[in-house]
Amino acid sequence: KAGVTQTPRYLIKTRGQQVTLSCSPISGHRSVSWYQQTPGQGLQFLFEYFSETQRNKGNFPGRFSGRQFSNSRSEMNVSTLELGDSALYLCASSPGLGSPLHFGNGTRLTVT
Amino acid sequence: ILNVEQSPQSLHVQEGDSTNFTCSFPSSNFYALHWYRWETAKSPEALFVMTLNGDEKKKGRISATLNTKEGYSYLYIKGSQPEDSATYLCATARGNTGKLIFGQGTTLQVKP
Repeated sequence: KAGVTQTPRYLIKTRGQQVTLSCSPISGHRSVSWYQQTPGQGLQFLFEYFSETQRNKGNFPGRFSGRQFSNSRSEMNVSTLELGDSALYLCASSPGLGSPLHFGNGTRLTVT
Repeated sequence: ILNVEQSPQSLHVQEGDSTNFTCSFPSSNFYALHWYRWETAKSPEALFVMTLNGDEKKKGRISATLNTKEGYSYLYIKGSQPEDSATYLCATARGNTGKLIFGQGTTLQVKP
């Protein structure tokens, strides 16, 4: 089985721009969640989607949004980028609650 | 305890040493405890998911225990090898949700 695929791997954007990150989960996995990792911080939960519905949301501003498509692929959007948004963004998929997460390689976003 | 806390923050051991780390978490509304291994330049890899008090899991030289009443889990590595060098993350799912709260991780360096 192919693993979780995230694109792009690296992104450089300037403040004020917006960005869209993509995640293709493992085939058959209906849950997709997103995490942010910044230096000195652990993995911070952004949101989780299941069957195209946002099931959980972390404590991030409304500039962070996401969606899930009928084929379980997910996108995450960050608008009006700030320097503090520079981070590694990880996507993870799982078959459902109680199952381990399968992580992608992440997208490294740099905001200048 | 309000957050997930891991100790120690980092650990340096010699090849062949056995070692253990601690994960402390809020015991209220507990649903599951996850352990992940994160090697440099790779994505986090699931080790264990534990749900029951007293649960013990084993995978090769790595094992974990869970105490949900007092809110802690131990991860043990027997006979550490250089390839065990990684950051070990624990995370809790509180309530029946897909949202995981991660600790800051324990970084293990095994010297040959």
